Parts: sequence; C-alpha cells; structure tokens
Amino acid sequence: QLQLQESGPGLVKPSETLSLICTVSGGSIGSSNNYWGWVRQPPGKGLEWIGSIYYSGSTHYNLSLKNRVTISVDTSKSQFSLKLRSVTAADTAVYYCANHGSSSWIFDYWGQGTLVTVSS
Amino acid sequence: QLVLTQSPSASASLGASVKLTCTLSSGHSSYAIAWHQQQPEKGPRYLMKLNGDGSHIKGDGIPDRFSGSSSGAERHLTISSLQSEDEADYYCQTWGAGTVEFGGGTKLTVL
Repeated sequence: QLQLQESGPGLVKPSETLSLICTVSGGSIGSSNNYWGWVRQPPGKGLEWIGSIYYSGSTHYNLSLKNRVTISVDTSKSQFSLKLRSVTAADTAVYYCANHGSSSWIFDYWGQGTLVTVSS
Repeated sequence: QLVLTQSPSASASLGASVKLTCTLSSGHSSYAIAWHQQQPEKGPRYLMKLNGDGSHIKGDGIPDRFSGSSSGAERHLTISSLQSEDEADYYCQTWGAGTVEFGGGTKLTVL
C-alpha cells in the first residue's frame, strides 16, 4: 500500500523559505497514473490545495500561491518537495503530502502531516 | 468559479444515521467529488469518490456504514449506525481545469 511521509523543519522565520520533502514508499513515484500533491491546513481551519506535480515534472499550482511556490520531484530518491518563499505567520499550518490520479484528481493517499510554524 | 459548499456543523445520536451534503457551484453540477474524513488530531482519510450519477468507489477498509448519493448539484455522504469514532470533520473535494478545491468542511458531533 502506498505510504507518504513528510519531513522538514518545524520552525521557519518570517520572510524565509519553507522547505519540505515527501518520501513515497509502497509504490512507484514514476507511475504514469499518479500526481503528487501538497495540501495545507492552518490551525483550526480547513484544507487548502497548494499544488501538484506529475512524475515528469509538470506542475499545477493554486493561483493564490503560485508566485511563491515551487514543487519538484526526484524519482531516483522516490521523493517530491515543496518550497514556499517569503513566508509569513499566515503560512503556519500542518502540511500534508498526498497522491492523486492523473485522470481523477482525487486525493486517495495522504501523509500524516507535519506542522510548520512561522515565527521569529 | 468552482466552489464546494458545506454546512459548518451537524449532529446525530449514537447508532442513528446522518446525511452530510456538499453542493457544487452553478455550472458544475455534473462534477465528481471525493469525501474525506479527518478525526481529531489526525490527517485526512479518503472515504470515497462520488460521481454525479450517485455511483461511488470507496477507499480501502471503509465500512459499509458509509455510502454516497447524488442529486443534481448536491453530493451526499450518509453514515449509518453512527459510532463514536465517526465524530470528525468531513471534507468534500473536487477538481477541474488544473486546480483542486475543497469544501469548508462539516464538523460532525455524535451525541
């Protein structure tokens, strides 16, 4: 069964770059039917899609974050990553990595999530 | 604009049934959605994909107590024989034109 695990710093200073990695196991990150995505959830709030990447490197981003986000994939390490630039306190959230299909963008596998706090 | 609307809260008694609703915005009534469950202090869990015709495909290990149905732009999640562990937030999710949208979530309280 597909498993995803987020990793990265739990504390980031304002104006700096948030960087997270998601490690995929139990399946191939290079599968042609899979996209790999990031979703976040501010404390006490709902889910927000950040963006998704295909194994080939093709990306789709939430327009509200597009100017600050980069998602990349490293198939050799079975990992994909998130970089969010110029962070503020509003970017404090639990960040989840997840998987969806290429024809049906339904997130059917989720990581457990990692809390990232933006604070000086 | 693709938008999903959910009631913020719902409640039902232990052992009873409850029907949660997610409404698609105008012009998107045929879209499929997914239902996700988020128990307290846990990450989301995929429950099912629900099509516009009411057919649905559940995730691995999802009990038969969870079912889905559709009516026009409304997508429903019905949970029968409510158990205490069903107390959770429930989110609907859809996609279109290279973007993903989540509903605001419904907090279900089991009385």
